[in-house]
Amino acid sequence: AQTVTQSQPEMSVQEAETVTLSCTYDTSESDYYLFWYKQPPSRQMILVIRQEAYKQQNATENRFSVNFQKAAKSFSLKISDSQLGDAAMYFCAYTPNYGGSQGNLIFGKGTKLSVKP
Amino acid sequence: EAQVTQNPRYLITVTGKKLTVTCSQNMNHEYMSWYRQDPGLGLRQIYYSMNVEVTDKGDVPEGYKVSRKEKRNFPLILESPSPNQTSLYFCASSLNRANEQFFGPGTRLTVL
Repeated sequence: AQTVTQSQPEMSVQEAETVTLSCTYDTSESDYYLFWYKQPPSRQMILVIRQEAYKQQNATENRFSVNFQKAAKSFSLKISDSQLGDAAMYFCAYTPNYGGSQGNLIFGKGTKLSVKP
Repeated sequence: EAQVTQNPRYLITVTGKKLTVTCSQNMNHEYMSWYRQDPGLGLRQIYYSMNVEVTDKGDVPEGYKVSRKEKRNFPLILESPSPNQTSLYFCASSLNRANEQFFGPGTRLTVL
């Protein structure tokens, strides 16, 4: 079964510093997509970053970047220059590009990030 | 404004009383999905739809029904709600599942 694991239920970072959130996944597929979503206290789900498995280059969006290690099935999120507004739950998600689970999107259990002023 | 709307936003009901949570998107997206979010469990997919009249089960479909008669609407039906269906529910849509999913604001459901 395909699974997504976020091993850090909670993390804390000082404002302006860098923090890395971990995500590992289990799949036998070679073509898939990975996502990081942010959920602030408002509960709204917001896409942070998206990675296509067949692209070797790590995705980057402003202060957010990923370290995608396909062989290790690891997809960590790095937040640089952390801001108070980054405090939220962060979810890692996976979906295969083909196969029996044509539409299945699998989320991890989330990491709660706190930002200290 | 591009958006996904859900109604109601909050609902308290009793065991066994049928209810429907509506979901509508105005972005002409083919893919729509329902999730439930529970503390410590993250988001779990209930059902998804790749297009009109095409639906499939996610990870936790028991006790739920869906339909996709129109591209824009994807209602979630609880025929006989039970307390273990108390949860926060999200509807989402996207061009396809490989693209960014746009989430609705969530529906907080309490079943007594």
